[in-house]
Amino acid sequence: ETGVTQSPTHLIKTRGQQVTLRCSSQSGHNTVSWYQQALGQGPQFIFQYYREEENGRGNFPPRFSGLQFPNYSSELNVNALELDDSALYLCASSTGDRSSTDTQYFGPGTRLTVL
Amino acid sequence: RKEVEQDPGPFNVPEGATVAFNCTYSNSASQSFFWYRQDCRKEPKLLMSVYSSGNEDGRFTAQLNRASQYISLLIRDSKLSDSATYLCVVNKSGTYKYIFGTGTRLKVLA
Repeated sequence: ETGVTQSPTHLIKTRGQQVTLRCSSQSGHNTVSWYQQALGQGPQFIFQYYREEENGRGNFPPRFSGLQFPNYSSELNVNALELDDSALYLCASSTGDRSSTDTQYFGPGTRLTVL
Repeated sequence: RKEVEQDPGPFNVPEGATVAFNCTYSNSASQSFFWYRQDCRKEPKLLMSVYSSGNEDGRFTAQLNRASQYISLLIRDSKLSDSATYLCVVNKSGTYKYIFGTGTRLKVLA
């Protein structure tokens, strides 16, 4: 096991609602990356947090936001949920610095369904 | 053109067969390469990193061809337990994000 945990495992929401997903990184890792994986697709990079600051963002709208805490755990918040937000949300922890990342280890994911 | 492209498959092969997957990438500045394995409805798990000199781990061999911008994964003596989706991952030098292909599905048949 990677030591990366995520909660909850499954979640059902309705359009327009807000959701918070949580991730605890592997001990000793200072970087958390979040990915969205739609059915039949590879994971798509949402953003990364390094030492509590956002360290890069993929092509996702501002209603996707996040936090990283002093213990390096992290949250992903999504506002105004849309049907297309239904996906598996993965977090990955790693060591690294602002411009590079070592091997990323993934948590089990949160499966979000938006009705 | 996608940054990382893979044949989605599925590749249906009998037990004991040898199977190979290729993955092409578009950014020549890409620096790090990986193969991850993903079982149905589970998280991706690192299978192996891919080095310029090629590397082998048991029945699995990974190769990198920088000139043609592709990486490959060879699986020898396929087992039923190898059935999964294999994700090609590229990390550009000096950046922090992984770029995934869509994955190649492998089904090993008894």
